Amino acid sequence: NAGVTQTPKFQVLKTGQSMTLQCAQDMNHEYMSWYRQDPGMGLRLIHYSVGAGITDQGEVPNGYNVSRSTTEDFPLRLLSAAPSQTSVYFCASSYSAWESLFTDTQYFGPGTRLTVL
Amino acid sequence: AQKITQTQPGMFVQEKEAVTLDCTYDTSDPSYGLFWYKQPSSGEMIFLIYQGSYDQQNATEGRYSLNFQKARKSANLVISASQLGDSAMYFCAMREGPTGANSKLTFGKGITLSVRP
Repeated sequence: NAGVTQTPKFQVLKTGQSMTLQCAQDMNHEYMSWYRQDPGMGLRLIHYSVGAGITDQGEVPNGYNVSRSTTEDFPLRLLSAAPSQTSVYFCASSYSAWESLFTDTQYFGPGTRLTVL
Repeated sequence: AQKITQTQPGMFVQEKEAVTLDCTYDTSDPSYGLFWYKQPSSGEMIFLIYQGSYDQQNATEGRYSLNFQKARKSANLVISASQLGDSAMYFCAMREGPTGANSKLTFGKGITLSVRP
């Protein structure tokens, strides 16, 4: 089990460029989410998905798009990067209500450090 | 109003002593879950402990315990017998709503813990 994987680990973009942050999990988790972490702000939810084909916005969705075509993958797209999107991005996944666990504990990937110049 | 409040400044503790990290929360939902995560300097988010709002007993996981005071809306993390490897940032987080219906987490801003030899 690789758990939750994220690529790349580091990325530098110029303002206006686009890119996709990849996230994959091999635990058959139905719930996946993206957070950004900024100094002094904790983690804030960007987008989340409760299953393949279903996505919804979190607290700070502007400037980001997501899709969930498979259970395993949940990519995050920046269509036109801005310096305000400089941050550390974390992907997380957890069990759904269909599993026999009752904590919904989210397991995080190692993060992607993004700098937008 | 903030949903998760972590107001302690950087905390220091002597190795082998116990330390309490404070967390207060705000929700009107009767069903919720409280989580603590550890983020060492390497950056990954490590799940430590979970407490459900209907759990009768305080959660414990090895050297970690959660002092859950529902009426005061506090969920303090207690680390017993501190080790040098406990030096990290610690985040309190909350899931509002019953398990499986909504896995979105709201995070506090974190507390930095430094363990002195």
